[in-house]
Amino acid sequence: GAGVSQSPSNKVTEKGKDVELRCDPISGHTALYWYRQSLGQGLEFLIYFQGNSAPDKSGLPSDRFSAERTGGSVSTLTIQRTQQEDSAVYLCASSLGYSSYNEQFFGPGTRLTVL
Amino acid sequence: KQEVTQIPAALSVPEGENLVLNCSFTDSAIYNLQWFRQDPGKGLTSLLLIQSSQREQTSGRLNASLDKSSGRSTLYIAASQPGDSATYLCAVGPSGSARQLTFGSGTQLTVLP
Repeated sequence: GAGVSQSPSNKVTEKGKDVELRCDPISGHTALYWYRQSLGQGLEFLIYFQGNSAPDKSGLPSDRFSAERTGGSVSTLTIQRTQQEDSAVYLCASSLGYSSYNEQFFGPGTRLTVL
Repeated sequence: KQEVTQIPAALSVPEGENLVLNCSFTDSAIYNLQWFRQDPGKGLTSLLLIQSSQREQTSGRLNASLDKSSGRSTLYIAASQPGDSATYLCAVGPSGSARQLTFGSGTQLTVLP
């Protein structure tokens, strides 16, 4: 079946603009995660959604970052007033749920460049 | 706070050699450990998942082991091939209320033909 998809694959924006990144998880996966991968920082967790529960936002680096998940499926990560340090690859992952059995499957990522 | 370390950062081997990649973590209270590979400019591909109650998992030429008490995991690749060239990432799934994976910085593997 189809894997996790993300769009756009690349996004170039100017400092101060808002951007939206989209993630389509694997059908039937109730858990969805956003991570960020940047040079010098490695892969870091941003936010986690599980079913209808309140999201775990503990990894969001500032209040310019927000995410929502509509209908328990598609998720959008929004970055407001982008800064150059936001440049990174944003990765989305999904899993069947959260247990020790559940692998996380990753999408191809969105490469964000803030000029 | 969980910290994951991978050594070496880079490794170059001739084709056909068997090799071991190392991963260590500071907090042994984990749910599971996952090994991924990442090709340049691509996302992460899951290779193996080891649950905290397991000692090892095998898939084809790959074998991953887990020793929770010592905070270590190894990924063994048998009969390496140029197509195995990639960055290999180890990620630990936590216990408790946190949900995210904590990643190591990866080992960049090059298999020379």
